[in-house]
Amino acid sequence: KNQVEQSPQSLIILEGKNCTLQCNYTVSPFSNLRWYKQDTGRGPVSLTIMTFSENTKSNGRYTATLDADTKQSSLHITASQLSDSASYICVVSDLNQAGTALIFGKGTTLSVSS
Amino acid sequence: ETGVTQSPTHLIKTRGQQVTLRCSSQSGHNTVSWYQQALGQGPQFIFQYYREEENGRGNFPPRFSGLQFPNYSSELNVNALELDDSALYLCASSQSSGSYNEQFFGPGTRLTVL
Repeated sequence: KNQVEQSPQSLIILEGKNCTLQCNYTVSPFSNLRWYKQDTGRGPVSLTIMTFSENTKSNGRYTATLDADTKQSSLHITASQLSDSASYICVVSDLNQAGTALIFGKGTTLSVSS
Repeated sequence: ETGVTQSPTHLIKTRGQQVTLRCSSQSGHNTVSWYQQALGQGPQFIFQYYREEENGRGNFPPRFSGLQFPNYSSELNVNALELDDSALYLCASSQSSGSYNEQFFGPGTRLTVL
């Protein structure tokens, strides 16, 4: 059973538009929730990290929100650019595992077209 | 670029063979985590090494083993390769093993098992 579910699976938007990606998780207890951007064939790059007590975190045009009560997070991308085309992965840190075990969602594939 | 390097970039093996993948951690980092990412999936946690000791393991069989050296670089060894082992193998380094530490990913090694 996947403990981190993301939606939509894929998304196509026009350059300059905004979009919001969703993440639902069941990992409990958890330490923090992260959003990563992964270009095809490359390693993920961290966008934001939020603890369970944080509601929102921004990194430039990326804004992540977290509702620990409903176990939901979202990533909002403002004024999209062609370079935003990538997979966006929601990741939850599992406190039940020794070490910093990260539970990854399958990702949302975003395509930005001109 | 994160400063985490992996070698080789690509590798082709046949079923039953053994493979060793290498990872050099970012300067100042003493923790390395390994992940397996199958095509179209999110990365899955294999194990983590902290100061040369295994510090947590995911749901992978014993034929997946690792090492961490005094300079904190690391190896992932996979014995008796199976077709399903074909994947992108990612390593990530962090300053410590704590759950809030940001993990910096390398570019990955693409393993194909024929």
